[in-house]
Amino acid sequence: AQSVTQLGSHVSVSEGALVLLRCNYSSSVPPYLFWYVQYPNQGLQLLLKYTTGATLVKGINGFEAEFKKSETSFHLTKPSAHMSDAAEYFCAVSGAGGGNKLTFGTGTQLKVEL
Amino acid sequence: DAGVIQSPRHEVTEMGQEVTLRCKPISGHNSLFWYRQTMMRGLELLIYFNNNVPIDDSGMPEDRFSAKMPNASFSTLKIQPSEPRDSAVYFCASSTAGGNQPQHFGDGTRLSIL
Repeated sequence: AQSVTQLGSHVSVSEGALVLLRCNYSSSVPPYLFWYVQYPNQGLQLLLKYTTGATLVKGINGFEAEFKKSETSFHLTKPSAHMSDAAEYFCAVSGAGGGNKLTFGTGTQLKVEL
Repeated sequence: DAGVIQSPRHEVTEMGQEVTLRCKPISGHNSLFWYRQTMMRGLELLIYFNNNVPIDDSGMPEDRFSAKMPNASFSTLKIQPSEPRDSAVYFCASSTAGGNQPQHFGDGTRLSIL
């Protein structure tokens, strides 16, 4: 069984500040991890994914995430927030041998203030 | 490349009516997923198909909901009869096989049952 916990349903940062969105997972098999972003009235869009190999993964729009097996974490970061980053962010996990069914976290709404 | 196409984008209908939501997955993708998103329950997986065959329908709320995938390029989600509590945004997503493959989402159908 797999699960994802996203700490903080709402995060607020100032424009130009560091963005840190937290994600912890539970998986009985080696996990595949994903971050998605959802803008208002749109579907989810893939930001980045970790499957195997390098644990620091770079995605679109300047976001990156680091897979830390010892901490079962896959936190999303961006050095400098932009107003256009305001959206909802979802962490998701699937696992080897588990097909391509994703288990999503409950989402984190990111607000960027001037 | 065309993404996942959902229709209609918006649907408003009265309680008791039949509702049919449509989805065209990305060409070459052999897995298709139907999700429902509400403020109260977040993002829920309703059902998914591999190679047009339903694999897991445990998320389908009740017998009023049914989904079909008659061919690789088309799927429907039907609600009959509809109820106000079915009001939500319904997303379709598709992917290629394998847990390391991301799902690609459509823009959703916003359903309102009066």
